[in-house]
Amino acid sequence: GENVEQHPSTLSVQEGDSAVIKCTYSDSASNYFPWYKQELGKRPQLIIDIRSNVGEKKDQRIAVTLNKTAKHFSLHITETQPEDSAVYFCAAMPNSGGTSYGKLTFGQGTILTVHP
Amino acid sequence: NAGVTQTPKFRILKIGQSMTLQCTQDMNHNYMYWYRQDPGMGLKLIYYSVGAGITDKGEVPNGYNVSRSTTEDFPLRLELAAPSQTSVYFCASSYWGSYNEQFFGPGTRLTVL
Repeated sequence: GENVEQHPSTLSVQEGDSAVIKCTYSDSASNYFPWYKQELGKRPQLIIDIRSNVGEKKDQRIAVTLNKTAKHFSLHITETQPEDSAVYFCAAMPNSGGTSYGKLTFGQGTILTVHP
Repeated sequence: NAGVTQTPKFRILKIGQSMTLQCTQDMNHNYMYWYRQDPGMGLKLIYYSVGAGITDKGEVPNGYNVSRSTTEDFPLRLELAAPSQTSVYFCASSYWGSYNEQFFGPGTRLTVL
């Protein structure tokens, strides 16, 4: 099955700095890669996603890049703010025979702390 | 819309007891999922459903059962609770499977002692 590795496990930055979180996946058939943000004690919420036919996607201060050849994808947050502090999860959706049923395999998570 | 709701929010079980975690969504989503989140770990898929009457196993199904009699409800049953089932359980739903955002419920924190 799919395996997703996420690094680093913790990341501490100063307000205004950039933050980068990296993930690798094992199944070359995976074709959808969402990123979820989970604040302490809250539910995960989708912040950005990318499909395998796109190399980069940006939404204001956040961007995701995908390298299908190397099987890795990254989340970039620019001009970080204290409210960006949370746990971030990457995920991959394998596609078997054209069907995925929406089954996501998640990375272990990155605890991002933005210091004012 | 309430979105995805889960009950209870917290529960403490004794080893060997059983319980049902409830999940309801009012977005008319076809796909529903159950995940567990252990401390410091990502979410692992327990079971999923692509529509009423259709369920299948995810990555970690042992010790759990599900049913889907309606589009809205997707309960998760724990039989013979074990300490290894101590976790936070999240239900999620999406309109379709591929490329669709999954909306999560608030979670149920379960402790088995």
